[in-house]
Amino acid sequence: AQRVTQPEKLLSVFKGAPVELKCNYSYSGSPELFWYVQYSRQRLQLLLRHISRESIKGFTADLNKGETSFHLKKPFAQEEDSAMYYCALSPQGNKLVFGAGTILRVKS
Amino acid sequence: DGGITQSPKYLFRKEGQNVTLSCEQNLNHDAMYWYRQDPGQGLRLIYYSQIVNDFQKGDIAEGYSVSREKKESFPLTVTSAQKNPTAFYLCASSIWANSGNTIYFGEGSWLTVV
Repeated sequence: AQRVTQPEKLLSVFKGAPVELKCNYSYSGSPELFWYVQYSRQRLQLLLRHISRESIKGFTADLNKGETSFHLKKPFAQEEDSAMYYCALSPQGNKLVFGAGTILRVKS
Repeated sequence: DGGITQSPKYLFRKEGQNVTLSCEQNLNHDAMYWYRQDPGQGLRLIYYSQIVNDFQKGDIAEGYSVSREKKESFPLTVTSAQKNPTAFYLCASSIWANSGNTIYFGEGSWLTVV
């Protein structure tokens, strides 16, 4: 069965501190993985996908097939990064399987 | 203004009544989806449609029904058979249902059963 696990419901860091939002998945095939973000009063939107291997708003995520992880990282957190973050897996077609989400709170 | 429009934003329903949530998109997307968002559970797929006049059950389809008579519209009916309907419902769409395409979301509809 496909599953995405985000172990932290809430992650609170100080501005300028490094951030790592954890995501582990279970899937027997070749996964396509994504991070979606929901800022306050905005709609859920794509942040980045592993196939692009890009950095968006300073965030990066590396797919580690050995550890079945796709952690989201940013070296220096900003207050505007405060949001709900969802890790998602696309096992077939575009039927995304989402994790439970992690609230990131960046304190000044 | 292009995008996905969900209505109503807030809806109250009495137990035993059916209610229909509207979802319209003007992005010319082939695929549309309905997700349910509950605290601590993330988003769960209710139904999805890859093309007009076709739709498939997602992970939690029981108590829900959909139709896809037009490309731009994918309404969701929450029936009285749905045991726990109070939730936040998100509609989404993508160019087509191949893996890796960006999925765009609406602003959501809050349904409360009283």
